[in-house]
Amino acid sequence: ETGVTQTPRHLVMGMTNKKSLKCEQHLGHNAMYWYKQSAKKPLELMFVYNFKEQTENNSVPSRFSPECPNSSHLFLHLHTLQPEDSALYLCASSPKLVYEQFFGPGTRLTVL
Amino acid sequence: AQKITQTQPGMFVQEKEAVTLDCTYDTSDPSYGLFWYKQPSSGEMIFLIYQGSYDQQNATEGRYSLNFQKARKSANLVISASQLGDSAMYFCAMREGEGSGGSNYKLTFGKGTLLTVNP
Repeated sequence: ETGVTQTPRHLVMGMTNKKSLKCEQHLGHNAMYWYKQSAKKPLELMFVYNFKEQTENNSVPSRFSPECPNSSHLFLHLHTLQPEDSALYLCASSPKLVYEQFFGPGTRLTVL
Repeated sequence: AQKITQTQPGMFVQEKEAVTLDCTYDTSDPSYGLFWYKQPSSGEMIFLIYQGSYDQQNATEGRYSLNFQKARKSANLVISASQLGDSAMYFCAMREGEGSGGSNYKLTFGKGTLLTVNP
């Protein structure tokens, strides 16, 4: 498998649930990113990891918890989310921080 | 203030015709990069084309070209010979500080333009 993959592609969860989104890249990149894409709003950068170290937390609420165990995998742990957190969550990777970013297909999250 | 403005929420074009998608940007940084991404209904953001602020010539990639007008701060995407598969959301994005030794990696995106190609 090549490129950036994300699982699950669709997720419906209640506000009291705990779930995790997974991103995996097969490109040998060293930087990985989480973005949130809400309806009618620009793409918002959430977190950035460079060589497994978090370099950016864009004022994201603590109910979103990222984890980067290695340069190929990135997780987004979700708990006690709100309906307004419903969005498309996109993962991206790049060879280094300033290089072109390659995106995965996203996880469509619905919070009931 | 918005850094990236895409004024066209939706555009329609006839198959095989050319279409221009507008993008204006706002920055005081002399060194920046401009990107266009395509997002089909499947969700994946696909990189199309890149223009650096110091590039002398407009970027081209196959049927995609970027009409870069620095003084007007515009970076319009031109798609020639539209195909049905071009129907998608198109996003303009900017990264500032391109020449600063790698200190800025953040992409700022516009709200996008939904392009529909009619047969």
